[in-house]
Amino acid sequence: QIQLVQSGPELKKPGETVKISCKASGYTFTNYGMNWVKQAPGKGLKWMGWINTYTGEPTYADDFKGRFAFSLETSASTAYLQINNLKNEDMATYFCARGGNYFDYWGQGTTLTVSS
Amino acid sequence: DIQMTQSPASLSVSVGETVTITCRASENIYSNLAWYQQKQGKSPQLLVYAATNLADGVPSRFSGSGSGTQYSLKINSLQSEDFGSYYCQHFWGTPWTFGGGTKLEIK
Repeated sequence: QIQLVQSGPELKKPGETVKISCKASGYTFTNYGMNWVKQAPGKGLKWMGWINTYTGEPTYADDFKGRFAFSLETSASTAYLQINNLKNEDMATYFCARGGNYFDYWGQGTTLTVSS
Repeated sequence: DIQMTQSPASLSVSVGETVTITCRASENIYSNLAWYQQKQGKSPQLLVYAATNLADGVPSRFSGSGSGTQYSLKINSLQSEDFGSYYCQHFWGTPWTFGGGTKLEIK
């Protein structure tokens, strides 16, 4: 069955870097784009961007240009979200989600806590 | 960028009632719209894609409609498991913006 399994919760300090993984199984990884979605505590969903898993080309929403980076390890069917120079406002749950015209499979979410 | 305005923001309803949630796009999105349900502490789940198509395994009491800039999600005969938050999302050019969400609560 198709699954997206994300890495576990993270506790980081402001200014640090975090890298979240999303391991796909049950389908051909390079046939579907991978998206990243942010959900701040008590808030709605915010699309961060997506990465073309065939070419490796990332596309970032405007609010996520600069400190955010999407990457792949195609041989391991894994997508990564890296956030550099963490700020308090990065504290949220981050989801990976498969798709391009709708998101049909989602990871379980990775909770990031940023606290000094 | 296309903005998605979802209403209402919250709704308090009883089991068995019918509910309609609406999403208005700031420009024509040509039915490139999906609806998701999210329960507390869980990942969102796809309900409807391409405005009117029910995702696999979604009960037939859910239905999507609309065109142009106006879209709706209707839930007939609400069940207890339907309570949670609902989001629309457009796919007509990036960024693929979500609506602000509708929180459906038990009356």
